[in-house]
Amino acid sequence: DVKVTQSSRYLVKRTGEKVFLECVQDMDHENMFWYRQDPGLGLRLIYFSYDVKMKEKGDIPEGYSVSREKKERFSLILESASTNQTSMYLCASSSIRVSSYNEQFFGPGTRLTVL
Amino acid sequence: LAKTTQPISMDSYEGQEVNITCSHNNIATNDYITWYQQFPSQGPRFIIQGYKTKVTNEVASLFIPADRKSSTLSLPRVSLSDTAVYYCLVGDPVTGFQKLVFGTGTRLLVSP
Repeated sequence: DVKVTQSSRYLVKRTGEKVFLECVQDMDHENMFWYRQDPGLGLRLIYFSYDVKMKEKGDIPEGYSVSREKKERFSLILESASTNQTSMYLCASSSIRVSSYNEQFFGPGTRLTVL
Repeated sequence: LAKTTQPISMDSYEGQEVNITCSHNNIATNDYITWYQQFPSQGPRFIIQGYKTKVTNEVASLFIPADRKSSTLSLPRVSLSDTAVYYCLVGDPVTGFQKLVFGTGTRLLVSP
């Protein structure tokens, strides 16, 4: 069964802290994504990666960076956490195979609270 | 990117058929239509995808008219466990997969 795991379900950090959110997938997928989800705003794409060491900005990259050193792992970094980054963070992965059009597999999410 | 419009919320009762319509007037030739389901405190889950006419799987059916400017997700005989948010997305799987826009979705509430 396909699986995307995220390092924490709940996380509480202080303003100014550096925060690492880890995501691991076991499906050998090429593409990986980081979204945040806020009430009334739906899911918004922060960054995505289509290969190891490759990254592309999504719609709201400001305040975030990412790292993909291995195919199965995609990390989201908040360099200096702020209260407006309190949100649910969702990681996803997908295959580049033509038979898997637009199908992304999501992790359970990390609810981050920045105090 | 094709923008989608779907109702904010819908209510239904157990055992009824639910149809959620999504409008995507500026869909491009290479775009596919994809639906996701999201339960509270979980990530979205892929339900169904289609390009034209009708697609059916064990969970739902997707109806796409010839002009492809809208699509309808049909959930047969819903149960309480179908209460969730449903997202309609439109995108080109070859060049635009990374730009799928989820929007706010349709919140379906199924009551006994």
